[in-house]
Amino acid sequence: GNSVTQMEGPVTLSEEAFLTINCTYTATGYPSLFWYVQYPGEGLQLLLKATKADDKGSNKGFEATYRKETTSFHLEKGSVQVSDSAVYFCALSDQYQAGTALIFGKGTTLSVSS
Amino acid sequence: GAVVSQHPSWVICKSGTSVKIECRSLDFQATTMFWYRQFPKQSLMLMATSNEGSKATYEQGVEKDKFLINHASLTLSTLTVTSAHPEDSSFYICSALTEVTLLGYTFGSGTRLTVV
Repeated sequence: GNSVTQMEGPVTLSEEAFLTINCTYTATGYPSLFWYVQYPGEGLQLLLKATKADDKGSNKGFEATYRKETTSFHLEKGSVQVSDSAVYFCALSDQYQAGTALIFGKGTTLSVSS
Repeated sequence: GAVVSQHPSWVICKSGTSVKIECRSLDFQATTMFWYRQFPKQSLMLMATSNEGSKATYEQGVEKDKFLINHASLTLSTLTVTSAHPEDSSFYICSALTEVTLLGYTFGSGTRLTVV
């Protein structure tokens, strides 16, 4: 079945450091891919998404490129801020079952210190 | 943009009582609502999918008689945890499918349930 694998956390960085959070997936066909962010005690907010191979999603300085050849959707940011501290979830949506629930990775906790 | 209002944001209840969690779509019609459960420092586990006017579809291992889901209107879905026990303590999140073609999933802010 479909699945998402994220790198284990926590990831601890200093402010202005470069961030990479790895995400790989297993799916049939061409799923859509998402990154969500969850701040403490809150629900999930969509950070960015990509719907086809080679698409790049971007938002608030974060970027991720849909790589079909490596089945990856790694999240990157060139210079993190303390306010980026949160849990980040990679997710996919099944191409062949439109309208079904997202499948999430386990989440990666990011902690940024000043 | 699309907003899903989830209430309450937190609740404490005694063992054996029931708790109802509501999710309302404020500016759109949510034909499909997903209910997730999140354990501390873990991912979201899908509990069930509900479509307006029909019975919810539960994931394997989820007790449908314990977690009652009602989706009677296009703007309201409820999850009732019946006869709650401490092991039901968790963070519950709803998600509405806003647009199938554009893959719009909007999440509620979550409900922290603590059963004592």
